[in-house]
Amino acid sequence: DAGVIQSPRHEVTEMGQEVTLRCKPISGHDYLFWYRQTMMRGLELLIYFNNNVPIDDSGMPEDRFSAKMPNASFSTLKIQPSEPRDSAVYFCASSEQGRHEQYFGPGTRLTVT
Amino acid sequence: QQQVKQSPQSLIVQKGGISIINCAYENTAFDYFPWYQQFPGKGPALLIAIRPDVSEKKEGRFTISFNKSAKQFSLHIMDSQPGDSATYFCAARSTGNEKLTFGTGTRLTIIP
Repeated sequence: DAGVIQSPRHEVTEMGQEVTLRCKPISGHDYLFWYRQTMMRGLELLIYFNNNVPIDDSGMPEDRFSAKMPNASFSTLKIQPSEPRDSAVYFCASSEQGRHEQYFGPGTRLTVT
Repeated sequence: QQQVKQSPQSLIVQKGGISIINCAYENTAFDYFPWYQQFPGKGPALLIAIRPDVSEKKEGRFTISFNKSAKQFSLHIMDSQPGDSATYFCAARSTGNEKLTFGTGTRLTIIP
């Protein structure tokens, strides 16, 4: 298996623009997680899905952030409009029902200027 | 109550020495305690994990020690090697919840 796939790996955008991050979880995994990592706040869970249904979005910072999982093999995290304080590395992770290990993707480094 | 406190923030250990990273928690509903290892430019990867019904788990040079009464757990890396230089995160998960709460991370550097 190729592992969790994220795209793009790097994104540089201007303040006010829409940003869409993409994730393909490991085939057969039931859970998908979106994290944000910064030096100041560490690794924060934004939202997670179970069988494509959002379970906990309490970590989503504000209405500018939205996440979808239209099917078992694809998820997006959208920021609209983006702000400089959104600059971070965003990770997607997936796990299998009954097994707690989360497999992380390589991350998307987002820079908002 | 959901926090996991991790220390130290950074650690420098000589090659061959023992690296020790500590974590503490408050939430007694936590029932799974993993450690993740992250190399620069990569996502975190599971290193070793423990449940509260045992006090120690060892996998190769890596050992988790768990103290349920003190609500503390620690990672010990024996015979530390330069390849162990990475950032280590402790985490915790509560019963019936797939959400992991991560510590703030420890940047470990192993020097020759």
